[in-house]
Amino acid sequence: DAGVIQSPRHEVTEMGQEVTLRCKPISGHNSLFWYRQTMMRGLELLIYFNNNVPIDDSGMPEDRFSAKMPNASFSTLKIQPSEPRDSAVYFCASSFPAGSNYGYTFGSGTRLTVV
Amino acid sequence: RKEVEQDPGPFNVPEGATVAFNCTYSNSASQSFFWYRQDCRKEPKLLMSVYSSGNEDGRFTAQLNRASQYISLLIRDSKLSDSATYLCVVNTRSQGNLIFGKGTKLSVKP
Repeated sequence: DAGVIQSPRHEVTEMGQEVTLRCKPISGHNSLFWYRQTMMRGLELLIYFNNNVPIDDSGMPEDRFSAKMPNASFSTLKIQPSEPRDSAVYFCASSFPAGSNYGYTFGSGTRLTVV
Repeated sequence: RKEVEQDPGPFNVPEGATVAFNCTYSNSASQSFFWYRQDCRKEPKLLMSVYSSGNEDGRFTAQLNRASQYISLLIRDSKLSDSATYLCVVNTRSQGNLIFGKGTKLSVKP
């Protein structure tokens, strides 16, 4: 298995532009998570899905952030409009059912810089 | 109080040393516990799960104290390759999203 695949690896964009981050989970995993990591705040959960359904989006910072999972093999995290404070590493992770004793497998992350 | 708290370090130790990291969690209903390792500019990777009876994986030993809401990781005979940030991770809700501590940075020197 190729693991969790994220794209792009790096993104540099200007303030106000739309940014779309993509994630392909491991086949057979039915939970998918989006995290954001900064030096100040560490890893923060933004949203997670069970069987393609959003379960908890309380970590999404504001309405500028949205996430979708149209099918079991693909998810997107969109920021519109982007702001400099959104600069961070965004990780996608997948696992077997949330609530089980399985850990998560993370993708390599997208390093986002908003200038 | 933060959900998962760790000493950020850094812990600077010589090769061959034994080093221990501690972590506390705030939710007594937490059910699953893990240690993750994160190398610089890389993604976190699962190091080991932590079981109530304690568990060992080679040079690594994890302990859980539910009464004190405390988790530990012991690394024996440290190697240069152990240099990384170690994240304490707790499942705090029945739905299962994991909460990550900010990590403890370990630097093993020759």
